[in-house]
Amino acid sequence: SAVISQKPSRDICQRGTSLTIQCQVDSQVTMMFWYRQQPGQSLTLIATANQGSEATYESGFVIDKFPISRPNLTFSTLTVSNMSPEDSSIYLCSVEDPRGGQYFGPGTRLTVT
Amino acid sequence: AQKVTQAQTEISVVEKEDVTLDCVYETRDTTYYLFWYKQPPSGELVFLIRRNSFDEQNEISGRYSWNFQKSTSSFNFTITASQVVDSAVYFCALPFGGATNKLIFGTGTLLAVQP
Repeated sequence: SAVISQKPSRDICQRGTSLTIQCQVDSQVTMMFWYRQQPGQSLTLIATANQGSEATYESGFVIDKFPISRPNLTFSTLTVSNMSPEDSSIYLCSVEDPRGGQYFGPGTRLTVT
Repeated sequence: AQKVTQAQTEISVVEKEDVTLDCVYETRDTTYYLFWYKQPPSGELVFLIRRNSFDEQNEISGRYSWNFQKSTSSFNFTITASQVVDSAVYFCALPFGGATNKLIFGTGTLLAVQP
């Protein structure tokens, strides 16, 4: 199984600012994913990040709000831009499991005040 | 469209009781995977099981067992002799978008095991 780390583990940010979340995996993977989990809610896929191409965003999420970088096969970043309190969530990075499904990182708990 | 329904929002049991968490799904795919994940209070998502739709045999792993009923589109999860450490939110998930690795999650069931 893949080992995934995320930075920061948590942060408190002011409205209108941006935060970049880093995701590092211990092996090379083709696909990385970013999910959002709003308080008390389920997980929702934000986008899929492939190395060397633009991220593919799911319905309801746009690149201007959640720009993603994927510079190599072990690393990705998600930026939450121009934050509002509604962006307070846990943001989880995951990578594909070749057998199907995903491995998840520990998550980043974001609070926007 | 793909959909996962976990009708039980919260369940509270006393330690050593058995508990079953329900999952009902909708899919247009003829073959598919189903997953269960556990999210303890610390927040990380722990993989529990992957089941291929070809395989309708029930699976048992220690105190955990899963009952897959393709005819009723259900994939229920039973914990036998529950323990306080089982307290967590449990999510059922299904791939979507023609992929095996993009997941749609149910709303989760919060299980509280009281000592």
